[in-house]
Amino acid sequence: GQQLNQSPQSMFIQEGEDVSMNCTSSSIFNTWLWYKQDPGEGPVLLIALYKAGELTSNGRLTAQFGITRKDSFLNISASIPSDVGIYFCAGVRHDSNYQLIWGAGTKLIIKP
Amino acid sequence: DGGITQSPKYLFRKEGQNVTLSCEQNLNHDAMYWYRQDPGQGLRLIYYSQIVNDFQKGDIAEGYSVSREKKESFPLTVTSAQKNPTAFYLCASLSGNSEKLFFGSGTQLSVL
Repeated sequence: GQQLNQSPQSMFIQEGEDVSMNCTSSSIFNTWLWYKQDPGEGPVLLIALYKAGELTSNGRLTAQFGITRKDSFLNISASIPSDVGIYFCAGVRHDSNYQLIWGAGTKLIIKP
Repeated sequence: DGGITQSPKYLFRKEGQNVTLSCEQNLNHDAMYWYRQDPGQGLRLIYYSQIVNDFQKGDIAEGYSVSREKKESFPLTVTSAQKNPTAFYLCASLSGNSEKLFFGSGTQLSVL
């Protein structure tokens, strides 16, 4: 099935650094969702975006719905150890029966 | 508390055996989903159900079966036809007026 292009695949950062990741597609989406998955657990929704250009924050996390509606970005400011995990983007198209299309994930690792 | 409960957390399957993974939700959500996650990879859709007594194949339905006899329950059976069943299985649900998917905590299935 279709999948979003999510990058980077993994990131090694120092505690306190800012983090950026993105998802792109050749298709237009109506909604973008960002999830975080801790090891051995299900993904948890972080941020939902519904309009092109929308910028939404959740604490140190900020996500944007790209103007072209074909991409989305997630930024984490001043990373802390509990930010470790896998971050997934998902896009929703209303003309595809609201099925979610997933990125392959960005694994965030914080260097000690 | 409202949520999605998956059981068991860990499951072992002998060769040639069928096993069933449980998923129950008390969120009154209409749609339910089963995803498979392999190590270091994203989520792949197995089956989904938008209403009781109806379900649709996802991208990797072969070797799996589901039922939706009650709104709250969407069990997944991994049949002996699934030759590579070792994976992390995630159940999710979606309310009718939302595009936000909520996940259970997953079941890790391994082959003995």
